[in-house]
Amino acid sequence: DAGITQSPRHKVTETGTPVTLRCHQTENHRYMYWYRQDPGHGLRLIHYSYGVKDTDKGEVSDGYSVSRSKTEDFLLTLESATSSQTSVYFCAISDSADEQYFGPGTRLTVT
Amino acid sequence: GESVGLHLPTLSVQEGDNSIINCAYSNSASDYFIWYKQESGKGPQFIIDIRSNMDKRQGQRVTVLLNKTVKHLSLQIAATQPGDSAVYFCAVLNSGAGSYQLTFGKGTKLSVIP
Repeated sequence: DAGITQSPRHKVTETGTPVTLRCHQTENHRYMYWYRQDPGHGLRLIHYSYGVKDTDKGEVSDGYSVSRSKTEDFLLTLESATSSQTSVYFCAISDSADEQYFGPGTRLTVT
Repeated sequence: GESVGLHLPTLSVQEGDNSIINCAYSNSASDYFIWYKQESGKGPQFIIDIRSNMDKRQGQRVTVLLNKTVKHLSLQIAATQPGDSAVYFCAVLNSGAGSYQLTFGKGTKLSVIP
């Protein structure tokens, strides 16, 4: 998985609680991305980062925030989890604005 | 914006046959295209890419064809093997728009019959 780890790999949480997912890379790539994958929708971009402290919104950013204080770490926070945020979350990295390499994913269930 | 679609959500092929997976995109300004393979329980894995200044690119047992006139690309897998069973996605980028957002198709599930 191209030097990308995600933690936790699985999480069950209750509606209304905050949740933080972590993506860690050892490739020193500039760009990092958070996607969610749902049946019938494919992969959709939540947020991305083009450098330390430089982030921008993707297609489905409502209810999510991100932070990148170091090149190697990109955090995704669900401020108040809802059942609609039950999904599989993937982190991806790239060295340029094209080819992206994906992590193993985090399966999040919001009850 | 961009929309990306696939012609078939599922495809079954006999082991040893060739597989062809198709993808259509909407934005004629799109200039970079990737195919990913995703096995069950894993993240998408890069297979092959192609830029709009090419119409064909070959890898190991895989070929991507790009037809910009009709905004269509395809992934051909030669001599399909059981290990090729997975979901295949195409992804499309318009690098000139200053955006880093790949737009993904919904995927075709390839099943290989032994």
